[in-house]
Amino acid sequence: NAGVTQTPKFRVLKTGQSMTLLCAQDMNHEYMYWYRQDPGMGLRLIHYSVGEGTTAKGEVPDGYNVSRLKKQNFLLGLESAAPSQTSVYFCASMLGTPSQPQHFGDGTRLSIL
Amino acid sequence: GQNIDQPTEMTATEGAIVQINCTYQTSGFNGLFWYQQHAGEAPTFLSYNVLDGLEEKGRFSSFLSRSKGYSYLLLKELQMKDSASYLCAVTDSNYQLIWGAGTKLIIKP
Repeated sequence: NAGVTQTPKFRVLKTGQSMTLLCAQDMNHEYMYWYRQDPGMGLRLIHYSVGEGTTAKGEVPDGYNVSRLKKQNFLLGLESAAPSQTSVYFCASMLGTPSQPQHFGDGTRLSIL
Repeated sequence: GQNIDQPTEMTATEGAIVQINCTYQTSGFNGLFWYQQHAGEAPTFLSYNVLDGLEEKGRFSSFLSRSKGYSYLLLKELQMKDSASYLCAVTDSNYQLIWGAGTKLIIKP
């Protein structure tokens, strides 16, 4: 049982480059989330999805886009990477009721030079 | 604005008991979660409280007082493997999770 899988695990980009982070879950969860985690700060929500084909903005959406074409996959795109986007990115999924916990992937460590 | 406060860092001794506090001010309340996060790893779920009182799960217990906007996580019989960050998160009126910055717990022999 893989749970939530994120690829890649590490990546170094140059300013201005674009890339896509992939999140896949095999738990048939409705809700999926993308967070970033920076030192001394809590997890901050970038974008989220409440079901296949739907996406919504979170707290810090600027500079990112997402797509949820299939229920099991949630993609996070960086259109033109900036040094301020250097962070650890976590994907999470949840069954769909408020009392259920979110399940996290192992994270993607992204450095923008 | 929405705010969750936790101590930045705490130190405790192996075998002892430690209490990690969390206070919150959010737009609405639909539950409070505690997660554990080891360095370089993903957060993992520890506990959930939605009603006032104490929830016990093995060595870990979590308490909630909604009227005070307060929760704590109690860890008993501390082990070295409990060295980690502990994250408090509240589900607000829009069913979004608002996260605290986490408390780094250091266990000394």
